[in-house]
Amino acid sequence: EPEVTQTPSHQVTQMGQEVILRCVPISNHLYFYWYRQILGQKVEFLVSFYNNEISEKSEIFDDQFSVERPDGSNFTLKIRSTKLEDSAMYFCASSIQVSGSTEAFFGQGTRLTVV
Amino acid sequence: DQQVKQNSPSLSVQEGRISILNCDYTNSMFDYFLWYKKYPAEGPTFLISISSIKDKNEDGRFTVFLNKSAKHLSLHIVPSQPGDSAVYFCAAYYQGAQKLVFGQGTRLTINP
Repeated sequence: EPEVTQTPSHQVTQMGQEVILRCVPISNHLYFYWYRQILGQKVEFLVSFYNNEISEKSEIFDDQFSVERPDGSNFTLKIRSTKLEDSAMYFCASSIQVSGSTEAFFGQGTRLTVV
Repeated sequence: DQQVKQNSPSLSVQEGRISILNCDYTNSMFDYFLWYKKYPAEGPTFLISISSIKDKNEDGRFTVFLNKSAKHLSLHIVPSQPGDSAVYFCAAYYQGAQKLVFGQGTRLTINP
């Protein structure tokens, strides 16, 4: 069964450092997303990406964040200068199309710990 | 901005009984609702969804009910099994928005 894969599963970084979280979406999917979940809180939308550009982003997704699809398979989230409050579980997701009737498939997540 | 709310952080149910998880929303523009299940150290997995034009959708042991006038939906699991123990997230979507809005989640524990 096709799945979304994320690497690494756990990343520890020092405050102020740059991190890149990687995702391989399901191959025939066209829409890509990043969500995050701070420990004990709800899953929050960060950004959606379609046709090589950001289609929607939340207020969390400020200038410190960027996304890229550098090749035909990877989808990355970069945080330029990490802050303690960026510590969270980051989930990549993909879907064939964007509509409520088409569910998004989530990866297993990357736990980011900023120290 | 709590557009989707799950007011019960946890629920404990006896194996074989019915589990009922509740979700309320405030944005009347939402036209699709989904339930996701999440195990520790895994991403959310899709469980069942319902369009706003329906009031019920059933898939095996899982049924979702939607009450639009009350802006309330619920997920029923019958009969509950130990493998159902997980965190359940209610999520909502509306046309034109390329994102899901999640509730805070309810941790369901099925006791043998």
